[in-house]
Amino acid sequence: EAQVTQNPRYLITVTGKKLTVTCSQNMNHEYMSWYRQDPGLGLRQIYYSMNVEVTDKGDVPEGYKVSRKEKRNFPLILESPSPNQTSLYFCASSLSGPGDTEAFFGQGTRLTVV
Amino acid sequence: QKEVEQDPGPLSVPEGAIVSLNCTYSNSAFQYFMWYRQYSRKGPELLMYTYSSGNKEDGRFTAQVDKSSKYISLFIRDSQPSDSATYLCAIQTGADMRFGAGTRLTVKP
Repeated sequence: EAQVTQNPRYLITVTGKKLTVTCSQNMNHEYMSWYRQDPGLGLRQIYYSMNVEVTDKGDVPEGYKVSRKEKRNFPLILESPSPNQTSLYFCASSLSGPGDTEAFFGQGTRLTVV
Repeated sequence: QKEVEQDPGPLSVPEGAIVSLNCTYSNSAFQYFMWYRQYSRKGPELLMYTYSSGNKEDGRFTAQVDKSSKYISLFIRDSQPSDSATYLCAIQTGADMRFGAGTRLTVKP
């Protein structure tokens, strides 16, 4: 089954404790991205990757890091989480770009930073 | 001003009603226009995609784009309770993709 898998689905952590949210896709997609979703603000892009070893900042990259060492995985790293990073996070992938009709989103990771 | 403005609702309609969801955008450089549907506790899923002004129809759904007015719409005919979800508009050019805040729709039986 074609899917984007995020882990964990729910996470509560404390300020400053480094964490990683994993994202994996099994569709051999080149394009992957991370979004955060906040009430009234919709989805905002954090980082995206056009291919392996190619990443770029989205709208709200501050406080986040990503890596793309292999095509299927695109982890999101919070080196020192803060309460304003409490949000719902989505990973997405598509064959060639965000408007691709084959765009897939993961189930989401609800992060709470206390 | 936000790149994409979307009325967050919520919008509640009776089953069978015609639903109209709308977004406006500010930057005429955006070329591609999409509607996503997001059920509660799920990730968004692509519903409609278009790149030109005019209408695109898919079953009960019609996406409409007016580039001159920078206005996009999604119409749902014969709405069903299963259409209850949050609908997000999105605009894109190159790798730059912007989402509206989403409109929460409830279709009551």
